[in-house]
This record gives sequence, C-alpha cells and structure tokens, in this order.
Amino acid sequence: KQEVTQIPAALSVPEGENLVLNCSFTDSAIYNLQWFRQDPGKGLTSLLLIQSSQREQTSGRLNASLDKSSGRSTLYIAASQPGDSATYLCADDSGNTPLVFGKGTRLSVIA
Amino acid sequence: DTEVTQTPKHLVMGMTNKKSLKCEQHMGHRAMYWYKQKAKKPPELMFVYSYEKLSINESVPSRFSPECPNSSLLNLHLHALQPEDSALYLCASSQGGLDEKLFFGSGTQLSVL
Repeated sequence: KQEVTQIPAALSVPEGENLVLNCSFTDSAIYNLQWFRQDPGKGLTSLLLIQSSQREQTSGRLNASLDKSSGRSTLYIAASQPGDSATYLCADDSGNTPLVFGKGTRLSVIA
Repeated sequence: DTEVTQTPKHLVMGMTNKKSLKCEQHMGHRAMYWYKQKAKKPPELMFVYSYEKLSINESVPSRFSPECPNSSLLNLHLHALQPEDSALYLCASSQGGLDEKLFFGSGTQLSVL
C-alpha cells in the first residue's frame, strides 16, 4: 500500500526566506505527483502537477521536483511571503488507486 | 469556468435529519469525487464517479449515499449521521483519465449534533 510522508509537519520562517518542503512516497510506480495548498477550513488548490516522465515543474515562485528512484519530491518556495502561510499537501497518483495524500506541512511565514 | 462549486458552505444537522450536499462543475470533467477531511488530517477518499457511474466506494457507511444525476452534478445524501461524522466534506473533479490535476471545491463544513 502506497504511503506518503511529509516532513516537517510544521515550519515557521521569517518573510523573505527561501524554503523547501519534503514529500516521500513508498511506491516508485507513480503516474504523477501533485502539490496542493489548503487554507484553514477551505478546499485544496492545486499548485503543481509533475508527471512521472518529468523531473520538475515551475509556477512563479514555486518549483516542484520529482525523483522517482529515491521516492522523493520537494516543493521549493522562493522569497516567502505572509500570504504563503497555509498547509501544503502532496499527493501521489499510482493510476489504479485513488490519490494518496500526505499529512501536510503547516507553513507560517512571519512578517 | 474552472470552479467546483459546493453548497451549502456550512451545515448543522441533528442525528435524525436527512440532508444533502451538492457539488457542481462545468469544466466538462467526467470524474467526480467526494472526500472527507477531519481537522488537521489529510483528505480521505469516500467515493469516485467516473462517467456518471460509481467506480470507487471506500467502504463508506450506508448513512452516506452518493448520487451523480449528470456529468456536472454530484450529490451526497446524508441520513442518521453520528457526531463523529462532523468534518469538512470536499468535492473534486478531474477530466477522467490518467495524469490529471484534481480541482477541489471549497467544501461543506458539517457539524452533527
């Protein structure tokens, strides 16, 4: 059974710092890996989707990488802002099974 | 239109009530999902509809009854719920194939008294 782990569980950084969120998965036979953002009591917003044939995806200040061989993905946030404060979840899609979510990293960016 | 719309946003119901959660998308997506999310936990899949047919039921109790009237609508009928069913219920959709991005609604915050 696929398991997805996110480290750290919580992170607090001062505004302007670059930061990295980590996601690891146990089954390397994935179709894609997605990163989501969730604000408290709200739905999930898809940030980036990396297909299994890709190594990274970029959107603005966000860059997500995928290393299938090591079972790891990272989300890099450049020049963090207070508005980036949220919970970030990664989820992998192994095709025949539903998305498996990690427990998320709660990010606080302090002004 | 790239939105998944869920109504109501908040719902309080008693254990003897019958209520329904509604979800709508107009992106032409053919897969729709119900997730349940407890506070500070990741979303847990409940049901998946693919091309208007139930394709996945993750052993959800029968007090939750999904319905997909057409390709744009997804309902979740609730009956005789328990207080532990209180959670954020999220609807999502995707185009229906592999390697696809999920689009989530903003959820219905349900409280069962």
